Amino acid sequence: DAGVIQSPRHEVTEMGQEVTLRCKPISGHNSLFWYRQTMMRGLELLIYFNNNVPIDDSGMPEDRFSAKMPNASFSTLKIQPSEPRDSAVYFCASSPGQGNQETQYFGPGTRLLVL
Amino acid sequence: GQNIDQPTEMTATEGAIVQINCTYQTSGFNGLFWYQQHAGEAPTFLSYNVLDGLEEKGRFSSFLSRSKGYSYLLLKELQMKDSASYLCAVRDYGGSQGNLIFGKGTKLSVKP
Repeated sequence: DAGVIQSPRHEVTEMGQEVTLRCKPISGHNSLFWYRQTMMRGLELLIYFNNNVPIDDSGMPEDRFSAKMPNASFSTLKIQPSEPRDSAVYFCASSPGQGNQETQYFGPGTRLLVL
Repeated sequence: GQNIDQPTEMTATEGAIVQINCTYQTSGFNGLFWYQQHAGEAPTFLSYNVLDGLEEKGRFSSFLSRSKGYSYLLLKELQMKDSASYLCAVRDYGGSQGNLIFGKGTKLSVKP
């Protein structure tokens, strides 16, 4: 299995630009998670989907952030407009379902720098 | 509120044993996970505890006490490749199924 795939791996953009991050979960996994990691705040959950439906988006910082999952094999996280404080590593993770023991499998992350 | 605490950094010697502690206060509890994250890489799963006691997996063991809101990760026969951050995470069903709340991680440096 290819694991969770994220693109791009690195993104450098200027303040005010739109940024779109992409994720392909592991085939057959029903749950998908978007996280943001910074030195100051650690790993924070932004939003989580189950069977393509957003379950909890309480971690999305503000209206500039939006996420979609149009089908079981693809999700996007969009930031519009981007700001320097959005600079972080964004991870996508997937898990088979809602079983207690099921761990989450993380993608390699997208390193975002907003100038 | 939700809170997970773990030491920021630890240093240990190759071949030794190190224990990384984690305390948590969450509105619900449905399991505790430990992840390893090497610099510049994604977190990878190490262990899972839902009942009190010790779970052993090779050189790594994880302990849980639900009444104390406490867990530790024990690493034996340390190797240089164990230098990484170790993240404690709690699954909290308080309104969000499947959600994991992560601590900020403990950066472990293994010295020769």
